[in-house]
Amino acid sequence: DTAVSQTPKYLVTQMGNDKSIKCEQNLGHDTMYWYKQDSKKFLKIMFSYNNKELIINETVPNRFSPKSPDKAHLNLHINSLELGDSAVYFCASSQLNKGLFFGSGTQLSVL
Amino acid sequence: TQLLEQSPQFLSIQEGENLTVYCNSSSVFSSLQWYRQEPGEGPVLLVTVVTGGEVKKLKRLTFQFGDARKDSSLHITAAQTGDTGLYLCAGAFRVDSNYQLIWGAGTKLIIKP
Repeated sequence: DTAVSQTPKYLVTQMGNDKSIKCEQNLGHDTMYWYKQDSKKFLKIMFSYNNKELIINETVPNRFSPKSPDKAHLNLHINSLELGDSAVYFCASSQLNKGLFFGSGTQLSVL
Repeated sequence: TQLLEQSPQFLSIQEGENLTVYCNSSSVFSSLQWYRQEPGEGPVLLVTVVTGGEVKKLKRLTFQFGDARKDSSLHITAAQTGDTGLYLCAGAFRVDSNYQLIWGAGTKLIIKP
């Protein structure tokens, strides 16, 4: 059973399109995250939710909108995709300060 | 602004050699986490160190948290090709009732046979 699963694994789309990435965790963790990893492999936090409540909202364009229907799910919707959005997006979950469990990533390519 | 400096950025050594990766900051952390990431996968948590001066061992990997909880090191003894990967450190600090992480830039490690 995969602890943190995100779909799709690969997403290739045209500029201007809207797309969503889904994430689910079965670890019973209270906190979930979206991270962006750029081509230099630096991990940047985008959003963090604790028990469905948004607690971190870094400076990302408002074209990015997270949604947490319950504490096991955190989806990411992106409107009007731009070339610069191309990156790998990771979902993760954690419980308190005990370390993050990551999904396997979604490689987004905007053409 | 809190920073976590990780070094070296890149390391390529022969199998059997030893190596150390460092993470340094001027900030005090409540814990320091180490991850390894392989191509096409998400980072995988290796260890969390919490107490100043703490040393944890994971087979040939030794993790140390500095006495002042501002720095940490990862030492690998007799490196093997399977140790190849991107190693990331992350420092945790408390903000209100939640924890936030700052990340090092990563160390790309290649072990040559």
